[in-house]
Amino acid sequence: KAGVTQTPRYLIKTRGQQVTLSCSPISGHRSVSWYQQTPGQGLQFLFEYFSETQRNKGNFPGRFSGRQFSNSRSEMNVSTLELGDSALYLCASSLAEGVSGNTIYFGEGSWLTVV
Amino acid sequence: AQTVTQSQPEMSVQEAETVTLSCTYDTSESDYYLFWYKQPPSRQMILVIRQEAYKQQNATENRFSVNFQKAAKSFSLKISDSQLGDAAMYFCAYRGTNSGYALNFGKGTSLLVTP
Repeated sequence: KAGVTQTPRYLIKTRGQQVTLSCSPISGHRSVSWYQQTPGQGLQFLFEYFSETQRNKGNFPGRFSGRQFSNSRSEMNVSTLELGDSALYLCASSLAEGVSGNTIYFGEGSWLTVV
Repeated sequence: AQTVTQSQPEMSVQEAETVTLSCTYDTSESDYYLFWYKQPPSRQMILVIRQEAYKQQNATENRFSVNFQKAAKSFSLKISDSQLGDAAMYFCAYRGTNSGYALNFGKGTSLLVTP
Protein backbone atom coordinates (compact mmCIF):
# COMPACT_ATOMS: atom_id res chain seq x y z
CA LYS A 1 0.00 0.00 0.00
CA ALA A 2 1.57 3.25 -1.13
CA GLY A 3 2.12 5.98 1.44
CA VAL A 4 1.42 9.68 1.19
CA THR A 5 3.10 11.03 -1.92
CA GLN A 6 4.17 14.62 -2.31
CA THR A 7 5.47 16.37 -5.40
CA PRO A 8 7.72 18.07 -6.12
CA ARG A 9 10.20 17.13 -3.41
CA TYR A 10 12.44 20.14 -3.89
CA LEU A 11 11.90 23.47 -5.56
CA ILE A 12 13.37 26.93 -5.66
CA LYS A 13 11.23 29.97 -6.36
CA THR A 14 11.80 33.71 -6.55
CA ARG A 15 10.13 36.25 -4.29
CA GLY A 16 6.79 37.34 -5.71
CA GLN A 17 6.19 34.11 -7.63
CA GLN A 18 3.56 31.56 -6.76
CA VAL A 19 3.92 27.84 -6.13
CA THR A 20 1.66 24.81 -6.17
CA LEU A 21 2.43 21.66 -4.19
CA SER A 22 0.66 18.37 -4.72
CA CYS A 23 -0.26 15.57 -2.36
CA SER A 24 -1.73 12.11 -3.00
CA PRO A 25 -3.07 10.52 0.19
CA ILE A 26 -2.98 6.87 1.13
CA SER A 27 -5.59 4.94 -0.84
CA GLY A 28 -8.91 5.10 0.97
CA HIS A 29 -7.98 8.10 3.07
CA ARG A 30 -10.34 11.02 2.61
CA SER A 31 -8.85 13.60 4.93
CA VAL A 32 -5.78 15.55 3.87
CA SER A 33 -4.02 18.16 5.98
CA TRP A 34 -1.01 20.37 5.41
CA TYR A 35 1.68 21.52 7.83
CA GLN A 36 4.55 23.98 7.50
CA GLN A 37 7.84 23.22 9.23
CA THR A 38 10.47 25.90 9.79
CA PRO A 39 13.42 26.08 12.22
CA GLY A 40 11.96 29.13 13.94
CA GLN A 41 8.26 28.31 14.19
CA GLY A 42 8.42 24.54 14.22
CA LEU A 43 5.47 22.57 12.87
CA GLN A 44 2.38 24.63 12.20
CA PHE A 45 -1.01 23.51 10.89
CA LEU A 46 -2.08 25.09 7.61
CA PHE A 47 -5.43 23.51 6.70
CA GLU A 48 -7.41 20.30 6.45
CA TYR A 49 -9.65 19.09 3.67
CA PHE A 50 -12.30 16.39 3.66
CA SER A 51 -14.59 15.53 0.78
CA GLU A 52 -13.34 18.51 -1.21
CA THR A 53 -14.25 20.94 1.58
CA GLN A 54 -11.89 22.86 3.81
CA ARG A 55 -12.79 21.80 7.36
CA ASN A 56 -10.19 23.66 9.36
CA LYS A 57 -7.64 26.40 8.78
CA GLY A 58 -4.60 27.48 10.72
CA ASN A 59 -3.39 30.99 11.34
CA PHE A 60 -1.81 31.77 7.97
CA PRO A 61 -2.42 34.68 5.59
CA GLY A 62 -4.74 34.39 2.63
CA ARG A 63 -1.76 33.87 0.31
CA PHE A 64 -1.88 30.25 1.46
CA SER A 65 -4.72 28.30 -0.07
CA GLY A 66 -5.55 24.77 -0.96
CA ARG A 67 -8.08 22.49 -2.50
CA GLN A 68 -9.02 18.84 -2.64
CA PHE A 69 -10.23 16.92 -5.63
CA SER A 70 -12.85 14.19 -5.85
CA ASN A 71 -10.14 11.50 -5.74
CA SER A 72 -8.92 13.00 -2.41
CA ARG A 73 -5.72 14.34 -3.95
CA SER A 74 -4.89 17.79 -2.66
CA GLU A 75 -2.94 20.81 -3.75
CA MET A 76 -1.76 23.80 -1.80
CA ASN A 77 -0.84 27.10 -3.36
CA VAL A 78 1.20 29.97 -2.04
CA SER A 79 0.98 33.23 -3.95
CA THR A 80 3.30 36.23 -3.84
CA LEU A 81 6.06 34.24 -2.21
CA GLU A 82 8.11 35.80 0.58
CA LEU A 83 11.50 34.74 1.90
CA GLY A 84 9.81 33.59 5.09
CA ASP A 85 7.79 31.03 3.16
CA SER A 86 10.93 28.93 2.78
CA ALA A 87 10.05 25.74 4.62
CA LEU A 88 9.33 22.06 4.50
CA TYR A 89 5.67 21.57 3.63
CA LEU A 90 4.28 18.30 4.94
CA CYS A 91 1.11 16.69 3.74
CA ALA A 92 -0.70 14.16 5.87
CA SER A 93 -3.69 11.91 5.37
CA SER A 94 -6.09 10.01 7.59
CA LEU A 95 -9.19 7.91 7.13
CA ALA A 96 -11.75 10.49 8.19
CA GLU A 97 -12.08 13.95 9.58
CA GLY A 98 -13.18 14.93 13.01
CA VAL A 99 -11.88 11.89 14.83
CA SER A 100 -9.07 12.63 17.21
CA GLY A 101 -7.91 9.06 17.37
CA ASN A 102 -7.41 8.49 13.69
CA THR A 103 -3.74 8.05 12.95
CA ILE A 104 -2.33 10.74 10.71
CA TYR A 105 0.26 9.55 8.19
CA PHE A 106 2.76 11.98 6.73
CA GLY A 107 4.50 12.26 3.39
CA GLU A 108 8.18 13.06 2.97
CA GLY A 109 7.46 16.72 2.37
CA SER A 110 8.18 19.33 -0.24
CA TRP A 111 11.19 21.54 0.39
CA LEU A 112 10.50 25.08 -0.78
CA THR A 113 13.29 27.63 -0.97
CA VAL A 114 12.40 31.23 -1.80
CA VAL A 115 15.25 33.40 -3.04
CA ALA B 1 -5.34 27.01 22.53
CA GLN B 2 -3.53 23.87 23.49
CA THR B 3 0.21 24.18 23.96
CA VAL B 4 2.71 21.36 23.92
CA THR B 5 6.08 21.81 25.62
CA GLN B 6 9.17 19.70 25.14
CA SER B 7 11.74 21.06 27.56
CA GLN B 8 14.70 19.06 26.28
CA PRO B 9 16.03 20.42 22.98
CA GLU B 10 18.69 17.68 22.85
CA MET B 11 19.23 14.35 24.52
CA SER B 12 21.97 11.75 24.23
CA VAL B 13 21.92 8.05 25.00
CA GLN B 14 24.34 5.18 24.57
CA GLU B 15 23.39 2.19 22.49
CA ALA B 16 21.43 -0.41 24.47
CA GLU B 17 20.64 2.09 27.21
CA THR B 18 17.28 3.63 28.12
CA VAL B 19 16.28 7.26 27.60
CA THR B 20 13.18 9.24 28.51
CA LEU B 21 11.93 12.23 26.54
CA SER B 22 9.64 14.68 28.32
CA CYS B 23 6.46 16.35 27.13
CA THR B 24 3.87 18.44 28.92
CA TYR B 25 0.72 19.97 27.50
CA ASP B 26 -1.95 22.42 28.46
CA THR B 27 -5.62 21.74 27.78
CA SER B 28 -9.07 22.15 29.24
CA GLU B 29 -10.44 19.18 27.32
CA SER B 30 -11.06 15.81 28.92
CA ASP B 31 -11.03 13.73 25.74
CA TYR B 32 -8.04 13.95 23.44
CA TYR B 33 -5.20 11.96 21.92
CA LEU B 34 -1.46 12.28 22.35
CA PHE B 35 1.19 11.14 19.90
CA TRP B 36 4.92 10.80 19.61
CA TYR B 37 6.33 11.19 16.11
CA LYS B 38 9.89 10.51 14.98
CA GLN B 39 11.49 12.57 12.22
CA PRO B 40 14.75 11.07 10.91
CA PRO B 41 17.08 12.96 8.55
CA SER B 42 14.79 12.00 5.64
CA ARG B 43 12.30 14.41 7.32
CA GLN B 44 9.33 12.04 7.00
CA MET B 45 7.25 12.06 10.17
CA ILE B 46 6.79 8.53 11.48
CA LEU B 47 4.28 7.68 14.18
CA VAL B 48 5.99 6.04 17.15
CA ILE B 49 3.15 5.66 19.63
CA ARG B 50 -0.23 7.09 20.55
CA GLN B 51 -2.24 7.37 23.75
CA GLU B 52 -5.95 7.88 24.28
CA ALA B 53 -6.63 10.24 27.18
CA TYR B 54 -9.54 8.14 28.44
CA LYS B 55 -7.30 5.09 28.85
CA GLN B 56 -5.38 4.87 32.09
CA GLN B 57 -3.09 2.14 30.78
CA ASN B 58 0.13 3.44 29.29
CA ALA B 59 0.65 2.62 25.61
CA THR B 60 3.53 0.36 24.59
CA GLU B 61 4.99 -0.44 21.18
CA ASN B 62 7.93 -2.83 21.36
CA ARG B 63 10.86 -0.83 22.81
CA PHE B 64 8.79 2.34 23.08
CA SER B 65 6.47 3.10 25.97
CA VAL B 66 4.87 6.16 27.47
CA ASN B 67 4.24 7.42 30.96
CA PHE B 68 0.92 9.23 30.72
CA GLN B 69 -0.01 11.31 33.75
CA LYS B 70 -3.33 12.94 32.89
CA ALA B 71 -3.70 15.04 36.04
CA ALA B 72 -0.18 16.38 35.65
CA LYS B 73 -0.67 16.77 31.86
CA SER B 74 2.54 14.92 31.24
CA PHE B 75 3.30 12.47 28.44
CA SER B 76 6.88 11.17 28.41
CA LEU B 77 8.38 8.67 25.97
CA LYS B 78 10.72 5.94 27.14
CA ILE B 79 12.97 4.23 24.61
CA SER B 80 14.52 1.01 25.88
CA ASP B 81 17.54 -0.79 24.41
CA SER B 82 18.34 2.24 22.27
CA GLN B 83 19.59 1.57 18.76
CA LEU B 84 21.57 3.73 16.34
CA GLY B 85 18.49 3.92 14.14
CA ASP B 86 16.59 5.67 16.92
CA ALA B 87 18.61 8.83 16.35
CA ALA B 88 16.14 11.46 15.14
CA MET B 89 14.00 14.43 16.14
CA TYR B 90 11.10 13.36 18.33
CA PHE B 91 7.92 15.42 18.41
CA CYS B 92 5.16 15.22 20.95
CA ALA B 93 1.74 16.13 19.54
CA TYR B 94 -1.75 16.77 20.89
CA ARG B 95 -5.00 16.31 19.02
CA GLY B 96 -8.42 17.26 20.34
CA THR B 97 -11.75 18.81 19.49
CA ASN B 98 -10.87 22.41 20.37
CA SER B 99 -8.04 22.49 17.86
CA GLY B 100 -10.35 21.25 15.13
CA TYR B 101 -8.52 17.95 15.22
CA ALA B 102 -5.30 19.53 13.97
CA LEU B 103 -2.10 18.20 15.48
CA ASN B 104 -0.42 20.64 17.88
CA PHE B 105 3.29 19.85 18.00
CA GLY B 106 5.97 20.59 20.53
CA LYS B 107 9.29 22.06 19.39
CA GLY B 108 10.94 18.65 19.35
CA THR B 109 13.82 16.85 21.04
CA SER B 110 16.88 15.85 19.06
CA LEU B 111 18.03 12.41 20.17
CA LEU B 112 21.64 11.38 19.61
CA VAL B 113 22.56 7.71 20.01
CA THR B 114 26.22 6.96 20.59
CA PRO B 115 27.91 3.57 20.07
